[in-house]
Amino acid sequence: SQKIEQNSEALNIQEGKTATLTCNYTNYSPAYLQWYRQDPGRGPVFLLLIRENEKEKRKERLKVTFDTTLKQSLFHITASQPADSATYLCALDESYIPTFGRGTSLIVHP
Amino acid sequence: DAGVIQSPRHEVTEMGQEVTLRCKLISGHNSLFWYRQTMMRGLELLIYFNNNVPIDDSGMPEDRFSAKMPNASFSTLKIQPSEPRDSAVYFCASSYQGTGGSGGTGELFFGEGSRLTVL
Repeated sequence: SQKIEQNSEALNIQEGKTATLTCNYTNYSPAYLQWYRQDPGRGPVFLLLIRENEKEKRKERLKVTFDTTLKQSLFHITASQPADSATYLCALDESYIPTFGRGTSLIVHP
Repeated sequence: DAGVIQSPRHEVTEMGQEVTLRCKLISGHNSLFWYRQTMMRGLELLIYFNNNVPIDDSGMPEDRFSAKMPNASFSTLKIQPSEPRDSAVYFCASSYQGTGGSGGTGELFFGEGSRLTVL
């Protein structure tokens, strides 16, 4: 069966450190993968998209990698800040229909 | 643009009542998604429209749920009759998708959600 796995345990890190979140999947062949941020009581907000033929993508303090052999994406936030605290969702897209993981909560302590 | 607009933001109703959730797409977007989010199951796709046509409704739980796009900028999700297990946050999201492989960016723009509680 198809699965998208994100760590269900919250990730706690200290301000200034790099946060790394993982998204693993099975039985998918996504054309691209997206990362979203969701704050409590709000809708998800798009952050980054990476295509299957791209290895890495960067945007300001964010970096995403995509390994189609390992079936894994890593999402990094460098120089993390308390304002980065939120739930981060990955979404796989096989045919214009994104399917979401359950998300990982990130807590950045001052 | 104001973004995707959903209403109501909160709805509390009793089992058996009809519930209608509304969504206004971003101008120029041609794809519309309804998702449901719960703690247990995360974000689940209910239905996907492209150019006002339902393309994938395999996530619609049962006949009690129906969704329409009466025009290119507006959609409704109706639950009749509602049940306590329908309690969740319902999100709609819009995007632009080109044709013939030209594609849009793929990113979805979500509304703030409608929190439904069925007693």
